[in-house]
Amino acid sequence: ETGVTQTPRHLVMGMTNKKSLKCEQHLGHNAMYWYKQSAKKPLELMFVYNFKEQTENNSVPSRFSPECPNSSHLFLHLHTLQPEDSALYLCASSQEPVGSTDTQYFGPGTRLTVL
Amino acid sequence: GENVEQHPSTLSVQEGDSAVIKCTYSDSASNYFPWYKQELGKGPQLIIDIRSNVGEKKDQRIAVTLNKTAKHFSLHITETQPEDSAVYFCAASKSNYQLIWGAGTKLIIKP
Repeated sequence: ETGVTQTPRHLVMGMTNKKSLKCEQHLGHNAMYWYKQSAKKPLELMFVYNFKEQTENNSVPSRFSPECPNSSHLFLHLHTLQPEDSALYLCASSQEPVGSTDTQYFGPGTRLTVL
Repeated sequence: GENVEQHPSTLSVQEGDSAVIKCTYSDSASNYFPWYKQELGKGPQLIIDIRSNVGEKKDQRIAVTLNKTAKHFSLHITETQPEDSAVYFCAASKSNYQLIWGAGTKLIIKP
């Protein structure tokens, strides 16, 4: 295992639901990331947190709301999603923050289906 | 904007043969090129990386080559084994955290 866990592994939700994805890293890293992975497309970086501070928001719709209460935990709050938001959501962490090419360690992802 | 093109999208090789996956990047300032392997039900994991001051790097059966002039880099896997079956992603970066990813190559090893 990589030391990055994600829950739940699978989630089915309606467009009016509110749900949250959780990520926890046990590696003592300082940076955490949310990515969206759609079939046959490059990974899309959504959010980056360094030392609990958000440093990147790649034009992500407001229906996705991240939260980073400490360096080990990262949440992605979801509300009023669209069917096109169905994808695999990956969390990653790295030791070094912005400005580094440090290895990113990924969790197994949450498979999200929006009905 | 910056982009990374990866080919082929699917590659099927006989067990024991070699596999080569190629990527081309657009930003000449890119200087870090990792390769990640994603197995079914798992997140991507780094398998090898190369920096722009090096032309080639090897680790057992895998190797990566970089041609800065042509702005392309390749992953080579020799003596392929069933456990090499996975999706492989290349990426490029300019010494910052934001990796620009390729779309992935599904590698199938035929017994």
